[in-house]
Amino acid sequence: EAQVTQNPRYLITVTGKKLTVTCSQNMNHEYMSWYRQDPGLGLRQIYYSMNVEVTDKGDVPEGYKVSRKEKRNFPLILESPSPNQTSLYFCASTKRVGLAGAETQYFGPGTRLLVL
Amino acid sequence: DAKTTQPNSMESNEEEPVHLPCNHSTISGTDYIHWYRQLPSQGPEYVIHGLTSNVNNRMASLAIAEDRKSSTLILHRATLRDAAVYYCILRVKGSGGGADGLTFGKGTHLIIQP
Repeated sequence: EAQVTQNPRYLITVTGKKLTVTCSQNMNHEYMSWYRQDPGLGLRQIYYSMNVEVTDKGDVPEGYKVSRKEKRNFPLILESPSPNQTSLYFCASTKRVGLAGAETQYFGPGTRLLVL
Repeated sequence: DAKTTQPNSMESNEEEPVHLPCNHSTISGTDYIHWYRQLPSQGPEYVIHGLTSNVNNRMASLAIAEDRKSSTLILHRATLRDAAVYYCILRVKGSGGGADGLTFGKGTHLIIQP
């Protein structure tokens, strides 16, 4: 089954304790992204990657890192989490198509993070 | 991406058609119209997209006004599982290679009554 998986689905941590949220897709998509969703603010893009070893900042990249060493994986790293990073996180992947703008994004199930 | 306007919420009865409107008066000739939905406790899910002509797929139909300043997502026979937040999003043709983010507004919260 074609899907985007994220782990863990739920995480409670404390301020300053490094954590990684993994994301994997089995559709051989070139593009992958991370979003966070907060009440009243909607979904906002954190980072994206257009291919292996190619990453770029989205709208809210501060406090996050990403890496893309393999096509299928795109982990999100919080080096020193703070309470304002408490949020619902979604990973997404997109197949590159000839008509840019017509791509569809496939989202993972989400990771709910609470930073105390 | 250009701005879209949707009603905050709509209510419909199960097994009836639902028409979800979206206004995008500043749309350019190269903007695709995308619809996504987000079911409770799940990630957003692609529904349908179009450029100029009406589109149909297994989930829904997309009716695009002749001047493209508005569009309507049509669920032909709503079920309780269609209760979700529906987002209308414009994507510029040729933009960003596809990896740049979708701009999600507040969407329309669709309530389905049994």
